[in-house]
Amino acid sequence: NAGVTQTPKFQVLKTGQSMTLQCAQDMNHNSMYWYRQDPGMGLRLIYYSASEGTTDKGEVPNGYNVSRLNKREFSLRLESAAPSQTSVYFCASGVGRAYNQPQHFGDGTRLSIL
Amino acid sequence: DAKTTQPPSMDCAEGRAANLPCNHSTISGNEYVYWYRQIHSQGPQYIIHGLKNNETNEMASLIITEDRKSSTLILPHATLRDTAVYYCIVRVADRGSTLGRLYFGRGTQLTVWP
Repeated sequence: NAGVTQTPKFQVLKTGQSMTLQCAQDMNHNSMYWYRQDPGMGLRLIYYSASEGTTDKGEVPNGYNVSRLNKREFSLRLESAAPSQTSVYFCASGVGRAYNQPQHFGDGTRLSIL
Repeated sequence: DAKTTQPPSMDCAEGRAANLPCNHSTISGNEYVYWYRQIHSQGPQYIIHGLKNNETNEMASLIITEDRKSSTLILPHATLRDTAVYYCIVRVADRGSTLGRLYFGRGTQLTVWP
């Protein structure tokens, strides 16, 4: 049972380069989320998707775009990477508007922007 | 938003119970208390959650005060593998936007020593 799978696990980019972080879940969850975590900090929500075909901004969306490709997959794109986007990125999925159900997280993508 | 307050660090002897406190004095009546932990910068791992009543599962117990303004996570027999950052989170039930998003603070670093 894979749960939430993120690729790649590590990536180094130069300033201005673009890349897409991939996330897939096999739990048939409706909602999916992208968070970032900076050193010594908790997680902050970047974007989320309530269901296939919908996406919405979280608290730190600037510099990112997302695509909910299908129910399983939710990707995060950096169009022009900046050093301030150096972080660990976590994808999560959940049942949806069910506040008594937990979100489940992937193991993260460690991204460095030089 | 309901916020939580946790001590930045605690330690515990292996085999003893670890009691991690959390204050959430502004919690609303329909908001759940969730606990996650993060080991070595892996993805956050769900532990337990509750609304009003005390809860227990195979990992931990959650004790919520009657006024719901604070809670305690109990790991009954801590092991070295329980060394992690523990996050107490109030799940905001804002149906108008972010699907009961999770607000992560800085958590409590629990160190279990031999």
